[in-house]
Amino acid sequence: GQQLNQSPQSMFIQEGEDVSMNCTSSSIFNTWLWYKQDPGEGPVLLIALYKAGELTSNGRLTAQFGITRKDSFLNISASIPSDVGIYFCAGPNSGGSNYKLTFGKGTLLTVNP
Amino acid sequence: AAGVIQSPRHLIKEKRETATLKCYPIPRHDTVYWYQQGPGQDPQFLISFYEKMQSDKGSIPDRFSAQQFSDYHSELNMSSLELGDSALYFCASSRFQRGYEQYFGPGTRLTVT
Repeated sequence: GQQLNQSPQSMFIQEGEDVSMNCTSSSIFNTWLWYKQDPGEGPVLLIALYKAGELTSNGRLTAQFGITRKDSFLNISASIPSDVGIYFCAGPNSGGSNYKLTFGKGTLLTVNP
Repeated sequence: AAGVIQSPRHLIKEKRETATLKCYPIPRHDTVYWYQQGPGQDPQFLISFYEKMQSDKGSIPDRFSAQQFSDYHSELNMSSLELGDSALYFCASSRFQRGYEQYFGPGTRLTVT
């Protein structure tokens, strides 16, 4: 099946710093999704990307859909303590009539105030 | 905005018992997905439904079954529970036409003792 490789696995940064994380795949994805998960809570959809080369922002978050369609990047600018959590990339596997998501292993972000 | 509702939020069962998890999708969402997330793991797709029909199946044990009802809510039935079934179970919903934009509920934490 399709696998997504996220890096880094974890990051420790100071409040106010910018953050960058990425996700790669050995196969092509037609859509890239970025989710954030707080401990014990459900993943929250941050950004959805639909076209190769697309750059999309959501507040301080910016994500890009790689030209090769095998990678995606998420940047967080001017981090704040509430940015703490696990960030997952995900992509849909088309199958049947609907889409099951494959998730990366996640990037754990810690922000020191 | 209304979100996905899951009940119960926490459930403790003993081995070999049964459990039923419920999911109420976002209004006007017609597709429901179930995911299982073990400790420190990424969510793993179990099964999905569209218009009350199973549309895709992932790594769901034969001991588990699920269905979607006419009001679009869904139930995940788990029998002969094992210790390894202890996990967070998430329901997500979407509109069929945008199946890749899945919105997750807060999850049910199942503990099997």
